Amino acid sequence: SQTIHQWPATLVQPVGSPLSLECTVEGTSNPNLYWYRQAAGRGLQLLFYSVGIGQISSEVPQNLSASRPQDRQFILSSKKLLLSDSGFYLCAWSDRGQNSPLHFGNGTRLTVT
Amino acid sequence: RKEVEQDPGPFNVPEGATVAFNCTYSNSASQSFFWYRQDCRKEPKLLMSVYSSGNEDGRFTAQLNRASQYISLLIRDSKLSDSATYLCVVNAYPLRDTGRRALTFGSGTRLQVQP
Repeated sequence: SQTIHQWPATLVQPVGSPLSLECTVEGTSNPNLYWYRQAAGRGLQLLFYSVGIGQISSEVPQNLSASRPQDRQFILSSKKLLLSDSGFYLCAWSDRGQNSPLHFGNGTRLTVT
Repeated sequence: RKEVEQDPGPFNVPEGATVAFNCTYSNSASQSFFWYRQDCRKEPKLLMSVYSSGNEDGRFTAQLNRASQYISLLIRDSKLSDSATYLCVVNAYPLRDTGRRALTFGSGTRLQVQP
């Protein structure tokens, strides 16, 4: 069966520090991968998605970047964190099908101080 | 108008009650629909897909009304463990580069089942 691992679970970082969140998927090949952010009390916002190695698309302009160095690995990064980057970051995968649902990792709660 | 709209609630219901949530979507070309459940400070988890003919999974029934552009979730015989936020999800708009449609999440409806 497919599993998705995301770490760390929680992170407290000072403003201006770098960020690296990692996500890996097991039990499937060539998945679509996604990074979402959920601000406190709000809905999920799609940040990045990837349909293959090295293929990254961004839905919103922001202070973050993403990379997919391997088929089942997705990384979210920032060179310098802002206070507004605080939130709940969720990695997700889906099958290739047009109507496939998303399956989420456990999420990373990031607090920028 | 938001792409996916839900009543935020909270819906406070006693154990054993039946409760229904609606969700409206704005893009008539949307093709796939889901309900997710999210517990406090946890990741969303897929509850059920919503099919055109309506579908049932135990105490949960989902329905789609394309003409009026809404989906619904009915929970029968509510349990304390049903307390959570329920997210309506629709593949509402095309992703910029691929033409695939992105899943758009509503802000959720909070359910509190009381003893």
